[in-house]
Amino acid sequence: KAGVTQTPRYLIKTRGQQVTLSCSPISGHRSVSWYQQTPGQGLQFLFEYFSETQRNKGNFPGRFSGRQFSNSRSEMNVSTLELGDSALYLCASTKTGGNTGELFFGEGSRLTVL
Amino acid sequence: AQKITQTQPGMFVQEKEAVTLDCTYDTSDPSYGLFWYKQPSSGEMIFLIYQGSYDQQNATEGRYSLNFQKARKSANLVISASQLGDSAMYFCAMRGGTSYGKLTFGQGTILTVHP
Repeated sequence: KAGVTQTPRYLIKTRGQQVTLSCSPISGHRSVSWYQQTPGQGLQFLFEYFSETQRNKGNFPGRFSGRQFSNSRSEMNVSTLELGDSALYLCASTKTGGNTGELFFGEGSRLTVL
Repeated sequence: AQKITQTQPGMFVQEKEAVTLDCTYDTSDPSYGLFWYKQPSSGEMIFLIYQGSYDQQNATEGRYSLNFQKARKSANLVISASQLGDSAMYFCAMRGGTSYGKLTFGQGTILTVHP
């Protein structure tokens, strides 16, 4: 069965631009969450969606936004990119509507901001 | 608030030997889950093992086992019969409260397996 799929895998942007990243969860998974990974800050939670509703949001500025579609696919958007937004962005999905069970990640989208 | 502590920045092990990666946690949630992930240099976050706070038995997945000591708030990962391909970064993480997909991660441990 297919895993979590993230696109694009790599991208390069310049400061001030915006970027949209996509995540397709494992079939049957309704919860999607996003993380930012940088060498300095480690893995930080961005937000999570369940049934098209944002359930939790991490401590990131409003430039970071996301949404989830009826088929559970999710996108995240970063507007007015800054150099510090260069990071690996990871998406994860889980099946259950509760706080138990396994959670699987995609391969990530590596963003470089020049 | 939840906190995960991994006190070993780096670990070395000889091929075919067992290794334990330490993880302690702190939470006030009565129900929570503990995870271990492997991240090779490619960046992919590979799920290894999961332990629920109410699970009576320690979780095992092939060569991976989770030594869960609830009173001590520890969730150490044991890798038996290490292989060269086990060289990677390992993260301990926790999910609690009403979260579905929100994990709190530790800083990670870099494991190097020597031939």
